[in-house]
Amino acid sequence: LAKTTQPISMDSYEGQEVNITCSHNNIATNDYITWYQQFPSQGPRFIIQGYKTKVTNEVASLFIPADRKSSTLSLPRVSLSDTAVYYCLVGDTNAGKSTFGDGTTLTVKP
Amino acid sequence: DAEITQSPRHKITETGRQVTLACHQTWNHNNMFWYRQDLGHGLRLIHYSYGVHDTNKGEVSDGYSVSRSNTEDLPLTLESAASSQTSVYFCASSEHNRAGELFFGEGSRLTVL
Repeated sequence: LAKTTQPISMDSYEGQEVNITCSHNNIATNDYITWYQQFPSQGPRFIIQGYKTKVTNEVASLFIPADRKSSTLSLPRVSLSDTAVYYCLVGDTNAGKSTFGDGTTLTVKP
Repeated sequence: DAEITQSPRHKITETGRQVTLACHQTWNHNNMFWYRQDLGHGLRLIHYSYGVHDTNKGEVSDGYSVSRSNTEDLPLTLESAASSQTSVYFCASSEHNRAGELFFGEGSRLTVL
């Protein structure tokens, strides 16, 4: 299983772009990279997923370099409501062989 | 709307008792998972199932069991609860071959005294 490493915490201000990096040095060929957001007392919620290069949706972008040993979640123009814990998950297509990171607590300040 | 529900949301029990946490999903997903989340840690996989009558152990399966008799439900049983099993438990489901996109329930907070 790929071991993942994320920063424990990050601070930002409203309106700024936030980049959270996840390291996964032993990622396997079939592994995808998925990011989740979790608010207190709730289950995690899917944000974005990718395999290589760049993926963008309406809430975030995911950058994956050619060697795939890391990935960066980019949140444009964060607001107070983006304060949450963000997890990266690296694993195969059925998630049974996948590993969550310990999460990054993002605090957005006014 | 399709959803995934867990019950009970909160439970207090005593050491040595058997406890079952229910998970029910209406997404018609083949894959279902149980995770535990402890303070200061991420989610750790307990057991998972890829379909009816299929169950597999995750990284922290000792002291837990699951059974899958239909597509919708994956109950998690603690045969003899221990204080170390005090945690928040999350159930999740996903489509077969949908790479890692998990849909989570709201969690069940279990306290073992």
